[in-house]
Formats: sequence, structure tokens, C-alpha cells
Amino acid sequence: DAGITQSPRHKVTETGTPVTLRCHQTENHRYMYWYRQDPGHGLRLIHYSYGVKDTDKGEVSDGYSVSRSKTEDFLLTLESATSSQTSVYFCATGQGRNEKLFFGSGTQLSVL
Amino acid sequence: EDKVVQSPLSLVVHEGDTVTLNCSYEVTNFRSLLWYKQEKKAPTFLFMLTSSGIEKKSGRLSSILDKKELFSILNITATQTGDSAIYLCAPMNYGGATNKLIFGTGTLLAVQP
Repeated sequence: DAGITQSPRHKVTETGTPVTLRCHQTENHRYMYWYRQDPGHGLRLIHYSYGVKDTDKGEVSDGYSVSRSKTEDFLLTLESATSSQTSVYFCATGQGRNEKLFFGSGTQLSVL
Repeated sequence: EDKVVQSPLSLVVHEGDTVTLNCSYEVTNFRSLLWYKQEKKAPTFLFMLTSSGIEKKSGRLSSILDKKELFSILNITATQTGDSAIYLCAPMNYGGATNKLIFGTGTLLAVQP
């Protein structure tokens, strides 16, 4: 499996605070993704990156921003967390355009 | 809008049974369809299907894609308790700067001893 590390593994925060989740990969994969998983919705794409400093929005990007300053790191930021952003967040990476994705172990985020 | 529907939503079987999980899709710029297994946390890759009508097999699991009718099935024979998991279907939208997997809500499979 690809070496993907997500941090933190769990976080509890309050409404209105900024939160940053980190995804670190050791596989030198070009493509990186942030998904959220909620009951009844499956995995939904938040943002993705197709190279250093190259990012774009997914289907549920409102309230989230991302940055990728190095190949191995992809950061997801909630500028002002809301209770609707309570979810499990997964990072994924892929080597090529028509390749399978590898997933990290997820971050459980609770916004109170 | 891209759409993926998996059925059934959940399934309870006994060890040794055979199960068939279904996935229908409507995805623009379709390229391939992937199946993942999710136990406790990270989804793990099972199959990637690109060609219609060609079965892929891995042990007791097999899968096939029908690009004309826009569906795929995942079969598990002689189920074991270790097969208990959520099975996710994910067609790939190949448009834009990169491919994007569009996930269904999954089928929750519970295998009882």
C-alpha cells in the first residue's frame, strides 16, 4: 500500500475555529485528493491536486481550501469550521490519470 | 450530474453463501470503474474494470462491467466472516486535469458464522 499518513487522526473543535488537516505521502504520486465520508452520501470529493501548486475544486468544496507546496504534502483547511463539516476526511493519492487511488486511514473531525 | 447507485444498501448472509452486489452509473467522460472494500477505515482496492464483458477475478471475488447498460456487479462466492465490510463502487470521470472517482453510497455486507 502507498505510504499515506493523515494527521491528526481525531480532532474535536468548536464552531468558528480554523482547522487544518494534513496528508503526507511517500510514494511520489502526482495526484492527491481530499474526500469526506458521511452516512447516506458515500465519499464525496472536496478538492484535488494534479501537481505542486495545481489544485481544483470537487463537488463539495464550499468552506474548504487546499494547498500543495510540495509533492508529498496536501493540506485541507476549514477556514471557519461549522457543525455540517463534522465528518470523516480521507486523503487519496494516484500515480497516473487512469490509475487506482490509494487511501489514507482518515481523520475523524467533530465540530461542536 | 454524475450518478452512482449501489444495491442492495445492506445485506446479511451466512458463511458459505454467494452474494452479488450491483452498481449502476451515469458518469460523464467515463473511463473505468473501480471497486473498493472498506472495513474499519481506509478503502482498499479490489478491481479496476475498463473493458466491457471481461471478468476480473481474485480468489473468491469476481467482477464484470457492462458499458452498454452502464452497470457492474461484484460477486463473492463461499463468503467468510472476513468479507464483512462496506463495498464501494466508483466509476471514473476522466474529464479535466485529472480523473475523479465518483463513489456510490456502498453496500454493507454482514456475513454471519
